Amino acid sequence: DARVTQTPRDKVTEMGQEVTMRCQPILGHNTVFWYRQTMMQGLELLAYFRNRAPLDDSGMPKDRFSAEMPDATLATLKIQPSEPRDSAVYFCASGPGTGRTDTQYFGPGTRLTVL
Amino acid sequence: AQSVTQLDSHVSVSEGTPVLLRCNYSSSYSPSLFWYVQHPNKGLQLLLKYTSAATLVKGINGFEAEFKKSETSFHLTKPSAHMSDAAEYFCVVSDRDSGYSTLTFGKGTMLLVSP
Repeated sequence: DARVTQTPRDKVTEMGQEVTMRCQPILGHNTVFWYRQTMMQGLELLAYFRNRAPLDDSGMPKDRFSAEMPDATLATLKIQPSEPRDSAVYFCASGPGTGRTDTQYFGPGTRLTVL
Repeated sequence: AQSVTQLDSHVSVSEGTPVLLRCNYSSSYSPSLFWYVQHPNKGLQLLLKYTSAATLVKGINGFEAEFKKSETSFHLTKPSAHMSDAAEYFCVVSDRDSGYSTLTFGKGTMLLVSP
């Protein structure tokens, strides 16, 4: 049963520290999405990639967030420096494409707490 | 532009009674529509999706949804609720016919099931 995996599942850090979240998409999927979920804003799209190339990262604060896909089996989301307002659950999703009918498959999320 | 409105933030039912979670959408194109479920501290799981084939879509765990273009609705139903159905449910729209399509999520409906 193919699944998206994310590490770590939980992360508690101090304000100002660097945070790196990792995602392994389902093998064969060529699109990867990063979302953030908070009580106030719900689910927000931060960035997405197709064939490892960034298509759109307009949802991401550029000054502190960066997203990369070093290879087809790994996507990373970094926050440097982290701030308390970054506390949220970060989800990675992968899919077979970016067409209107394509399903996105979500990982279990990384719960980030910035103190 | 696309948008989704989930009409109820919370729905409470008794075990064994029917479930109705309401969703209205707005779309410039022929949309695809999805329902995802999120159990506490878990990722999002696809329940079902509509992609312009049959308007009545059957999903997992006994859920189904009907696409009604005239009403711009995609309500989720289940004949008989089970305790394990207690979770948050998201209605999602995707509507680009060309280029890159992204998902737009509703704010979610929390389903509470009492014994």
